[in-house]
Amino acid sequence: AQSVTQLGSHVSVSEGALVLLRCNYSSSVPPYLFWYVQYPNQGLQLLLKYTSAATLVKGINGFEAEFKKSETSFHLTKPSAHMSDAAEYFCAAVYGGSQGNLIFGKGTKLSVKP
Amino acid sequence: DTGVSQDPRHKITKRGQNVTFRCDPISEHNRLYWYRQTLGQGPEFLTYFQNEAQLEKSRLLSDRFSAERPKGSFSTLEIQRTEQGDSAMYLCASSPRASGELFFGEGSRLTVL
Repeated sequence: AQSVTQLGSHVSVSEGALVLLRCNYSSSVPPYLFWYVQYPNQGLQLLLKYTSAATLVKGINGFEAEFKKSETSFHLTKPSAHMSDAAEYFCAAVYGGSQGNLIFGKGTKLSVKP
Repeated sequence: DTGVSQDPRHKITKRGQNVTFRCDPISEHNRLYWYRQTLGQGPEFLTYFQNEAQLEKSRLLSDRFSAERPKGSFSTLEIQRTEQGDSAMYLCASSPRASGELFFGEGSRLTVL
């Protein structure tokens, strides 16, 4: 079955440290890939998306993600964490033949320590 | 652009009661999606509309669940004879195209006692 796997349900970093959130997809045919962010008491917001153009994708708030077909991965990074980055991050995929229905990973909650 | 709005934001009900949630999508978006999110899980797809036509339903959508989108505008999700396992956040999203770029509302949280 098509799926998205996020390694680590919780990640904690210090302010100013590198953020790395991991995501792997399950298909020999790369899907469209997305990262969404959910701040407390807010709806999900699109952070960035990969749609088979450039493999390094830049998003909002200084985040970026690199698509690696050989590793079936789409990890999210940010060079320097800010307190305001504390949120839950979801990796998601749209597989071929769907109607834009997203398949989500279980999410990774990011905590940022001062 | 006022975004996707959902109502009510919170609903507490007793087991066996019926509940209905409403979603108003972004006005120019013809695609509307319902998802369910439980604690510790990512959102799970329930159903999808293109205009007024319900084109896809997940196996998660049991016979107690029904969704409508009359006239291709707002949508309702009704749960009949609620069970404690229905307790979750119900998310609505809309999109102008089948790209996976969805615009989500803040969700309707259901608690079944």
